[in-house]
Amino acid sequence: ETGVTQSPTHLIKTRGQQVTLRCSSQSGHNTVSWYQQALGQGPQFIFQYYREEENGRGNFPPRFSGLQFPNYSSELNVNALELDDSALYLCASSLYTFQGTDTQYFGPGTRLTVL
Amino acid sequence: KQEVTQIPAALSVPEGENLVLNCSFTDSAIYNLQWFRQDPGKGLTSLLLIQSSQREQTSGRLNASLDKSSGRSTLYIAASQPGDSATYLCAVRPLEYGNKLVFGAGTILRVKS
Repeated sequence: ETGVTQSPTHLIKTRGQQVTLRCSSQSGHNTVSWYQQALGQGPQFIFQYYREEENGRGNFPPRFSGLQFPNYSSELNVNALELDDSALYLCASSLYTFQGTDTQYFGPGTRLTVL
Repeated sequence: KQEVTQIPAALSVPEGENLVLNCSFTDSAIYNLQWFRQDPGKGLTSLLLIQSSQREQTSGRLNASLDKSSGRSTLYIAASQPGDSATYLCAVRPLEYGNKLVFGAGTILRVKS
């Protein structure tokens, strides 16, 4: 089991609402990445935060936003929820190295259902 | 644009059989390739990470190989067990700024007792 935790475990929202998902990184890690995994598909990269700044973003609209805090925990915020936002949201933490030798450790995920 | 494909999409084998899962990627400019396991509705567990300079990695009954030039990786599972039943995901880390992973859609493995 990794030291990455996510909350809440499950969440049900209605279309148009806003949601905040939380992630606590593994101790000693300085980077957090968020992924969206729709049913039957592989995870899709949303964005990454390194030392509290966004460090890369996938093909997601601006209504997906995030924060990383000084203790390296992170939030994912989604505004104006749409039905297609229903998915498993995964957080991954790592100790970023320029050699690319780091391993990402994933949390258990938050299952978001939009009705 | 990096794309990752996994074949087969699903696999059902009897207990004790050796099996191979395949992963291919379109751009060889990668830092590393990683194999994950995912149980239904759960997060990802890292199984093996192969750096771009390496050819293979082994952990217990698992062996992963990497042929970067041809854009291929295989995950070999020896003496499969019912507890190996899960979805296996392959992911590459492209050589671009940031630490994102590009995933395949996965192979759903069922090991029958």
